[in-house]
Amino acid sequence: GQSLEQPSEVTAVEGAIVQINCTYQTSGFYGLSWYQQHDGGAPTFLSYNALDGLEETGRFSSFLSRSDSYGYLLLQELQMKDSASYFCAVQTDNYGQNFVFGPGTRLSVLP
Amino acid sequence: EAGVAQSPRYKIIEKRQSVAFWCNPISGHATLYWYQQILGQGPKLLIQFQNNGVVDDSQLPKDRFSAERLKGVDSTLKIQPAKLEDSAVYLCASSLESRRYSSGNTIYFGEGSWLTVV
Repeated sequence: GQSLEQPSEVTAVEGAIVQINCTYQTSGFYGLSWYQQHDGGAPTFLSYNALDGLEETGRFSSFLSRSDSYGYLLLQELQMKDSASYFCAVQTDNYGQNFVFGPGTRLSVLP
Repeated sequence: EAGVAQSPRYKIIEKRQSVAFWCNPISGHATLYWYQQILGQGPKLLIQFQNNGVVDDSQLPKDRFSAERLKGVDSTLKIQPAKLEDSAVYLCASSLESRRYSSGNTIYFGEGSWLTVV
């Protein structure tokens, strides 16, 4: 079976740092992606980790520990526009075509 | 580069009626997905095409849902008859085909077709 867990909601203030966790149990694992979705919008790709460690892309970083079946998305210097839902997604095939999405974490950034 | 196009954007129908959604993926993308996203949940894969062949339709309720991708480009998802629990956003997405190990193909989503069944 496939199971991904994320916190349902996170709240933080502008300028702060927030971490969104994702734990997974899947029949195959080849990598972990993160997507951002604003209300009414399309999910958009943020980052991808295939190997253990931290990947940094501007204000966003993503971490993976394959041995712990765990990853997180770190958002720094939060801005109001970061208020959105964030989904982790496990790549379950080695051709990069099959992804299972988590339930999503709704981030609210307060002034 | 044009994104994934979907129509209609919004649709309200009564239960037991039928509805069809259309999707045009990014040019050159061989893989096309239809996801169902219920409010407050993550996208759930309904069907995946590679060119015009079905790769995975294990979660498609085949008694009421059908999808096709003629000529390996556009795709149509149909629901007949609709139930109240089909109220959701239907997201079409596409990605490049990969014939070997790929480090995380990006999935490109359309803005979705919002369905309300009353």
